[in-house]
Amino acid sequence: AQSVTQLDSHVSVSEGTPVLLRCNYSSSYSPSLFWYVQHPNKGLQLLLKYTSAATLVKGINGFEAEFKKSETSFHLTKPSAHMSDAAEYFCVVSDFYNQGGKLIFGQGTELSVKP
Amino acid sequence: SAVISQKPSRDICQRGTSLTIQCQVDSQVTMMFWYRQQPGQSLTLIATANQGSEATYESGFVIDKFPISRPNLTFSTLTVSNMSPEDSSIYLCSVEGGKHLAKNIQYFGAGTRLSVL
Repeated sequence: AQSVTQLDSHVSVSEGTPVLLRCNYSSSYSPSLFWYVQHPNKGLQLLLKYTSAATLVKGINGFEAEFKKSETSFHLTKPSAHMSDAAEYFCVVSDFYNQGGKLIFGQGTELSVKP
Repeated sequence: SAVISQKPSRDICQRGTSLTIQCQVDSQVTMMFWYRQQPGQSLTLIATANQGSEATYESGFVIDKFPISRPNLTFSTLTVSNMSPEDSSIYLCSVEGGKHLAKNIQYFGAGTRLSVL
């Protein structure tokens, strides 16, 4: 069975400092991994996606994530936080080839950015 | 990407009543899904809306409580029936698989914020 664990429910950083949001996954198959962001009162927006190509994935708004199979991790990073990055972030796992389009969501990490 | 419109964006309902949520996409899509996000929680898949046949429900969700329709490739509805305060959540529609959409990526609507008194 697939599962996702986001290790921090809340992360607070100062503007201009690096962001690290941690995610570990469990999957019996070759997973697809995603990071989505949810701003208040808005839908989910895809930040980036990993599907067994390059292990370092670059996304929108300066975010990137590195797939580490040995550590079963897919942490999200950004070199310099911006106030507009404050939102809820979800790490998501899926196995399209064996389980259709079903997405398994982590519990979410709320990112706060201080001026 | 796709433009996904959900109606209503929010509603306050009385217990025992039902609410139908609409999801409209601006282009034909293969898959449509309905998720629930309870307060302070993550997203949980309710069901996959199948065009021309009955929806496929996840464990813990039943058709009598959450009837779903999908009459064509651009539209689906989710009804929350006989509501109780425990049904207060955000309900989100997502789509996947279309001519102008990236493969194996789900695109989400803005959600319907439901409060049941």
